[in-house]
Amino acid sequence: EIVLTQSPGTLSLSPGERATLSCRASQIISTKYLAWYQQKPGQTPRLLIYGASSRAAGIPDRFRGSGSGTDFTLTISRLEPEDFAVYYCQQYGSSPLITFGQGTRLEIK
Amino acid sequence: EVQMVESGGGLIHPGGSLRLSCAASGFTVSDSFMTWVRQAPGKGLEWVSIIFSVGNTYYADSVKGRFTISRDNSKNTLYLQMNSLRVEDTAVYYCAREDDNLTPRAFDVWGQGATVIVSS
Repeated sequence: EIVLTQSPGTLSLSPGERATLSCRASQIISTKYLAWYQQKPGQTPRLLIYGASSRAAGIPDRFRGSGSGTDFTLTISRLEPEDFAVYYCQQYGSSPLITFGQGTRLEIK
Repeated sequence: EVQMVESGGGLIHPGGSLRLSCAASGFTVSDSFMTWVRQAPGKGLEWVSIIFSVGNTYYADSVKGRFTISRDNSKNTLYLQMNSLRVEDTAVYYCAREDDNLTPRAFDVWGQGATVIVSS
């Protein structure tokens, strides 16, 4: 069974800083099957990145996904106030079919 | 506009049944891969079930044998029949869409969520 482990659990940064969020898989997964979501309090998840590095429609270019194998990264180059939220990675295709990481909370320092 | 509206949530006793609905507009449910994801209070996202355009269905081990995903093409609506509900099934349930041509292996449109509370 594949497990996604996100780190850190909480990241405290200031607007304008760079954020680096990690997602590590317990087994090698295809880059095609790794996605990232943002969720703000009381809101539904929002797709940011699919295929490990492709931005979804309307997502600013300060969001960048990268990685391969078992290690994937979401980088936010210059944090805007609206970027403070919880971020989840998701794999699709391995047993179980779909898995989410436990999330990284990005909070204002 | 592409959107999904969920309904059917509520308070139910352990062992009871509930059916969630997810009415879609702006796209065709039967042409898409449709999934249910839940989120327990204060917790992360947990995948529940998926139905592919050809009709294949898959379930998380935690709900297998108790939940059934289905769709009504004439109503363009996705369903989740939940039986033998447990306290640990308490969550907000989201329906979500995968458009294999736009964002393969990822869910680009989400419903607003339906709250299910299982409590005695």
